[in-house]
Amino acid sequence: DQQVKQNSPSLSVQEGRISILNCDYTNSMFDYFLWYKKYPAEGPTFLISISSIKDKNEDGRFTVFLNKSAKHLSLHIVPSQPGDSAVYFCAASESGSARQLTFGSGTQLTVLP
Amino acid sequence: NAGVMQNPRHLVRRRGQEARLRCSPMKGHSHVYWYRQLPEEGLKFMVYLQKENIIDESGMPKERFSAEFPKEGPSILRIQQVVRGDSAAYFCASSPRQGGGEQYFGPGTRLTVT
Repeated sequence: DQQVKQNSPSLSVQEGRISILNCDYTNSMFDYFLWYKKYPAEGPTFLISISSIKDKNEDGRFTVFLNKSAKHLSLHIVPSQPGDSAVYFCAASESGSARQLTFGSGTQLTVLP
Repeated sequence: NAGVMQNPRHLVRRRGQEARLRCSPMKGHSHVYWYRQLPEEGLKFMVYLQKENIIDESGMPKERFSAEFPKEGPSILRIQQVVRGDSAAYFCASSPRQGGGEQYFGPGTRLTVT
């Protein structure tokens, strides 16, 4: 039972263009969402997060959008750079719990020079 | 290096042996989480610990796996009598407070069971 789903295993984007990574969730108790970036043989690196009381959060080139009614969030990277090539994981947690993170299966982003 | 430290980075064990994985959280962090990543999958929660306490072990297999976070020293994930299916990357994460949102991950330990 996958509570967090990333339906696109891979995405290729031209350098300078926008990358849009998508994530869907089924557990309506989730109220905090995060994006992590992961390079091979390294641990995930925290990128950006959003609380369910917001629908948008920006940090530099990264913006996360949350649509609670659709149980959908997306990560926008603009402009995309070759160094952004990595696996991106969406994760979610619920308050009142131990804040364990539930991860999606990841999307491999390749930014082409 | 103020990040989360894990050792060893790579561990090879034969079936039936014990594996011990260590994690030192970021300075000032007293909450530790362990996750496992199987090939081609996302990370799966295993256990959440604070100093000297297991807070949530709902993701831990019922047998052979245990975890601790003593008052002094690193957190340890212990796998007894390893089997081939235990081969995976094991990641530790820390956060400064319960419900604190983001967790910061270590580089992981890649366990190979032969």
